[in-house]
Amino acid sequence: GAGVSQSPRYKVAKRGQDVALRCDPISGHVSLFWYQQALGQGPEFLTYFQNEAQLDKSGLPSDRFFAERPEGSVSTLKIQRTQQEDSAVYLCASSPHPAGDYNEQFFGPGTRLTVL
Amino acid sequence: GENVEQHPSTLSVQEGDSAVIKCTYSDSASNYFPWYKQELGKGPQLIIDIRSNVGEKKDQRIAVTLNKTAKHFSLHITETQPEDSAVYFCAPPRRNQGGKLIFGQGTELSVKP
Repeated sequence: GAGVSQSPRYKVAKRGQDVALRCDPISGHVSLFWYQQALGQGPEFLTYFQNEAQLDKSGLPSDRFFAERPEGSVSTLKIQRTQQEDSAVYLCASSPHPAGDYNEQFFGPGTRLTVL
Repeated sequence: GENVEQHPSTLSVQEGDSAVIKCTYSDSASNYFPWYKQELGKGPQLIIDIRSNVGEKKDQRIAVTLNKTAKHFSLHITETQPEDSAVYFCAPPRRNQGGKLIFGQGTELSVKP
């Protein structure tokens, strides 16, 4: 079946521009996570949704980052006034159950954001 | 907070040899220990995991061993093949914090034919 998809796959933005990154999770998956992966590093947690509720946003690096999942399926990560340090791959992952200690997360291919 | 360290950062082996990657964690309450594989241009994919009530788990050519006393767990790949070349991450989640994964720095495995 279809996995997690993300769009666009690549995004180049000029510093100061706003960007919106989209995640389509696996149909029916309750949990959705966003991670940020800098070049040569492991992914770092940004935020977590259970259905439409954003239960954890402790990893968002600044108030320029905003995420939503209004209908409990598709999610959008928005970055306002992009800075060069925002350049990274943004990964979305979904899981069929409410988040718990043992749940496998299914990752999308990521969106590579480059801020010039 | 949780500290996760992986060693080595790079590993090069000949096809057919074994590879071992070690992950050390700091949270003694951790009870779930997954390994993810990330190929170029793709997202991480779970390849094997183990829970704290088990010391070892094997799935064909891959296995994970857990030493809770020493707070480390290891990925073992036997009879390596070129398609095993990828970056491997350990990612134990923070206990009771919604399952958010805490990734190690990654190990780049290269299998030479």
